[in-house]
Amino acid sequence: GAGVSQTPSNKVTEKGKYVELRCDPISGHTALYWYRQSLGQGPEFLIYFQGTGAADDSGLPNDRFFAVRPEGSVSTLKIQRTERGDSAVYLCASSSLAGGNEQYFGPGTRLTVT
Amino acid sequence: GENVEQHPSTLSVQEGDSAVIKCTYSDSASNYFPWYKQELGKRPQLIIDIRSNVGEKKDQRIAVTLNKTAKHFSLHITETQPEDSAVYFCAASRGTNAGKSTFGDGTTLTVKP
Repeated sequence: GAGVSQTPSNKVTEKGKYVELRCDPISGHTALYWYRQSLGQGPEFLIYFQGTGAADDSGLPNDRFFAVRPEGSVSTLKIQRTERGDSAVYLCASSSLAGGNEQYFGPGTRLTVT
Repeated sequence: GENVEQHPSTLSVQEGDSAVIKCTYSDSASNYFPWYKQELGKRPQLIIDIRSNVGEKKDQRIAVTLNKTAKHFSLHITETQPEDSAVYFCAASRGTNAGKSTFGDGTTLTVKP
């Protein structure tokens, strides 16, 4: 079946602009995670959804970052007033209750803030 | 919160040799430890995982060992091949469907033919 997909694959934006990054999890996966990966580092946790609700948003760096998952499937990560330090690859992952905590990653969105 | 440290940051081996990557974690409540392989520009892919009720797990040329008392776990790759060259990440998380994983900073493995 289809894996986790993310759009766009690349996004270049100017400092101060608003961006939205989309994640389509594997069908039926109730858990969805957003991570951020900077060059030479491991993925850094941002937020975790179980169904429609954010079960843990402790990784969001500040109030410019927000994520939603209104119908328990697709999720959107929203970044306001982007800064150059927001440049990174944003990864989404999903997992199922039956699969334990095995997380399947999407290809990521490379965000560049100029 | 959880802190995961991974060593070495780079590792170069000859084809056919073994490679070992080690990770330590700080949260004694962590009980799920996956390993991911990430090729350049690609997504992380799970290659093996271990839960805290098991000390060792093998899958063909790959094995993972876990020492809960010492809070460390290791990835072992035997008979390495050039296609094993990639960045490997360890991670730790609490329990089944308990949310976030905390990742190490990765090991760049180069297998020389």
